[in-house]
Amino acid sequence: QKEVEQNSGPLSVPEGAIASLNCTYSDRGSQSFFWYRQYSGKSPELIMFIYSNGDKEDGRFTAQLNKASQYVSLLIRDSQPSDSATYLCAVHSPGYALNFGKGTSLLVTP
Amino acid sequence: DVKVTQSSRYLVKRTGEKVFLECVQDMDHENMFWYRQDPGLGLRLIYFSYDVKMKEKGDIPEGYSVSREKKERFSLILESASTNQTSMYLCASTNFGTTTNEQYFGPGTRLTVT
Repeated sequence: QKEVEQNSGPLSVPEGAIASLNCTYSDRGSQSFFWYRQYSGKSPELIMFIYSNGDKEDGRFTAQLNKASQYVSLLIRDSQPSDSATYLCAVHSPGYALNFGKGTSLLVTP
Repeated sequence: DVKVTQSSRYLVKRTGEKVFLECVQDMDHENMFWYRQDPGLGLRLIYFSYDVKMKEKGDIPEGYSVSREKKERFSLILESASTNQTSMYLCASTNFGTTTNEQYFGPGTRLTVT
């Protein structure tokens, strides 16, 4: 069974701070990694994807991948109350569908 | 922009009814998926399809079937709805095997079986 693990939270950060969300995965053959944001009652929305070791930045979001440690993270700089949501980590192994973690709930307090 | 649409946002059905959930994508994606999402259990894959008329079981296929007669349309069928199938159902599509294989979701159907 391919596992994707996330801390369920809630992770609470003050407005303007950096939120750090973490994800570990079990399949060393995984090649693609995704972060989705899901507001309550809504469907997941893709916000970042990363394929190579290192960092990938997009606006206030940075995804970090370390394949040796089987670890992927999402940093949100200058966190805003509108960032309050559940963040899902997803991992793709060739020949399989995406494998999702159960998500981390983020609360940004004004 | 990729667009994935689902036939209903909210649906209420009675136990024993046959239920059809429809999903349509407009990006010529080959791969389509059906998930259900329940509190504390996360997203669970029900069925997926790599091509027209092809289907593969996911993690929880029992009580469900699927149909993919056209590339853009993937249907989920509950042959005889039961109360434990009350859930949020999410359809998604992607093109695995390309340089960018992001998976996009439809808005979801919240199904209540009474």
